[in-house]
Amino acid sequence: ELKVEQNPLFLSMQEGKNYTIYCNYSTTSDRLYWYRQDPGKSLESLFVLLSNGAVKQEGRLMASLDTKARLSTLHITAAVHDLSATYFCAVGGSTGANSKLTFGKGITLSVRP
Amino acid sequence: EAGVAQSPRYKIIEKRQSVAFWCNPISGHATLYWYQQILGQGPKLLIQFQNNGVVDDSQLPKDRFSAERLKGVDSTLKIQPAKLEDSAVYLCASSWELAAQGTQYFGPGTRLLVL
Repeated sequence: ELKVEQNPLFLSMQEGKNYTIYCNYSTTSDRLYWYRQDPGKSLESLFVLLSNGAVKQEGRLMASLDTKARLSTLHITAAVHDLSATYFCAVGGSTGANSKLTFGKGITLSVRP
Repeated sequence: EAGVAQSPRYKIIEKRQSVAFWCNPISGHATLYWYQQILGQGPKLLIQFQNNGVVDDSQLPKDRFSAERLKGVDSTLKIQPAKLEDSAVYLCASSWELAAQGTQYFGPGTRLLVL
């Protein structure tokens, strides 16, 4: 059974500092996704990582994938309050029934002044 | 482009009652998913449709949950009878069959509280 683990589950960040959060998964998968969820809102797609060594950046967020280690990292540069949210990683395949997503429990980030 | 639509947004019912949720995916998206998100957890897949056929319903509690997508567009998810542990957000997502990246786009969700 595929398992996705995220750590830490909660992270209090200071504005302006850099942080990294992690996502481990238990079996080989085609794709890794990062989603953001604000309180009471739905999930917003941030990144899709398709291959080993893939790196994607959007603003202050950079996601990378190491398929050999079954590990994805989300690096936050110079945290700002707007980044406060819960971040989920999810793993899925490319076709058919494999395309369903298995999510981690999420990491709640809180940025303080 | 309109996103995934869901209704109702909120529902409060008593245990043993029935409830139904509706989802309209993004136009042209052949694949539709229903997820259950319990407070403090990540979403968990309940059922996946490809057009109007079921691809995966292995985690759907079939004794009380049912879902259909009759014309390959809209979908409904029903719970009958509801239990306290069904209190959750029910998320509908859709994706384009041929999309290389396969990103799933989520609707706003239906928040269900079972008393």
